[in-house]
Amino acid sequence: AQTVTQSQPEMSVQEAETVTLSCTYDTSESDYYLFWYKQPPSRQMILVIRQEAYKQQNATENRFSVNFQKAAKSFSLKISDSQLGDAAMYFCAYRTRMNYGGSQGNLIFGKGTKLSVKP
Amino acid sequence: NAGVTQTPKFRVLKTGQSMTLLCAQDMNHEYMYWYRQDPGMGLRLIHYSVGEGTTAKGEVPDGYNVSRLKKQNFLLGLESAAPSQTSVYFCASSLRGYSYEQYFGPGTRLTVT
Repeated sequence: AQTVTQSQPEMSVQEAETVTLSCTYDTSESDYYLFWYKQPPSRQMILVIRQEAYKQQNATENRFSVNFQKAAKSFSLKISDSQLGDAAMYFCAYRTRMNYGGSQGNLIFGKGTKLSVKP
Repeated sequence: NAGVTQTPKFRVLKTGQSMTLLCAQDMNHEYMYWYRQDPGMGLRLIHYSVGEGTTAKGEVPDGYNVSRLKKQNFLLGLESAAPSQTSVYFCASSLRGYSYEQYFGPGTRLTVT
């Protein structure tokens, strides 16, 4: 079974600085998706960025970028020019492309990293 | 376009009571999901549906039932609530399966005393 591990329960960054959140995963599959979701205090789950495993190029979305190391099964999120609005829980998630017993590629989440942004 | 909505937003139940959580989406999505989120944990899948009239078990299905009678609605039922079901429940939907983004509702905070 696939697992997702986020080893940093909490992180802190100064406004305008850069921070990197870590995520590792375990899988025997070669084709899958990886995601970073943001959950602010409002509880709403917001997709930040998505990476397809067969693409070697790291995904970027404005100030958010990932470092995808497929062989190491590592998927870290870098937030540049941190803003107060970036303060939230961040969840790394894995999604298989295979259909195991009808799972249809369900999301498997890590436990999250709470990011604080200091003014 | 409201996206994914959940009713109610908050609920307090006594042990043994029953209730139904409603999830509705207006994006014509085929797939719908119910997750629960507990403190210090990521979201865990309870049940999901790949189309109207079809449902399947996820990672933590015990104590819950679901129904998808209409494409736009996905109901989560607790027949006899237990304190272990105190959690925040999220509904999500996606156009299809693995290659499509899941859109989440705002969550329902359920407390069972």
